[in-house]
Amino acid sequence: GEDVEQSLFLSVREGDSSVINCTYTDSSSTYLYWYKQEPGAGLQLLTYIFSNMDMKQDQRLTVLLNKKDKHLSLRIADTQTGDSAIYFCAESDSNYQLIWGAGTKLIIKP
Amino acid sequence: NAGVTQTPKFRVLKTGQSMTLLCAQDMNHEYMYWYRQDPGMGLRLIHYSVGEGTTAKGEVPDGYNVSRLKKQNFLLGLESAAPSQTSVYFCASSSPRGSQETQYFGPGTRLLVL
Repeated sequence: GEDVEQSLFLSVREGDSSVINCTYTDSSSTYLYWYKQEPGAGLQLLTYIFSNMDMKQDQRLTVLLNKKDKHLSLRIADTQTGDSAIYFCAESDSNYQLIWGAGTKLIIKP
Repeated sequence: NAGVTQTPKFRVLKTGQSMTLLCAQDMNHEYMYWYRQDPGMGLRLIHYSVGEGTTAKGEVPDGYNVSRLKKQNFLLGLESAAPSQTSVYFCASSSPRGSQETQYFGPGTRLLVL
């Protein structure tokens, strides 16, 4: 079945760029998503990208999509302590359900 | 708008007890979902509903039942709680437009089964 994989942890220094990576298996996914979960809270949509796009930029966030390799990445420029959270990658399957990665915990070092 | 709300926020149950988790949304969304979140496993879909009066099984439905009697509410029931059901439960809702959907999440219910 479909699968989405992410590393469980990423540690970066404050002010550096963070790059969170995700691989997926369903080549028919139309949209791919990044959600953010802050401690003790539910998930919030951060951004999404349509599958016919290679890149999407939104302020400090850059999403890169490599359809050939089924690889999605989220780059956060100038990482701040407020960016500490778990970041989930998700793809939509043929039934419009979301298939979720396990989440990457972003740890910010001072 | 309150968005998606969940009650209770936290609950402790003994093995074999039953309980119902309530999810409410005020966005007039058609779709509603119940997930459980366990460490290192991401979100797993328990049940979902594509409209009032309809429900469907997700990835991990065993031990749970759901009902969607009103469009704005989605109830998750545990008939006989087991320690394996200790988890954080999230409700979400969405209103898909074509193949794009954004799911809106509640704050979660932390359940501990002893």
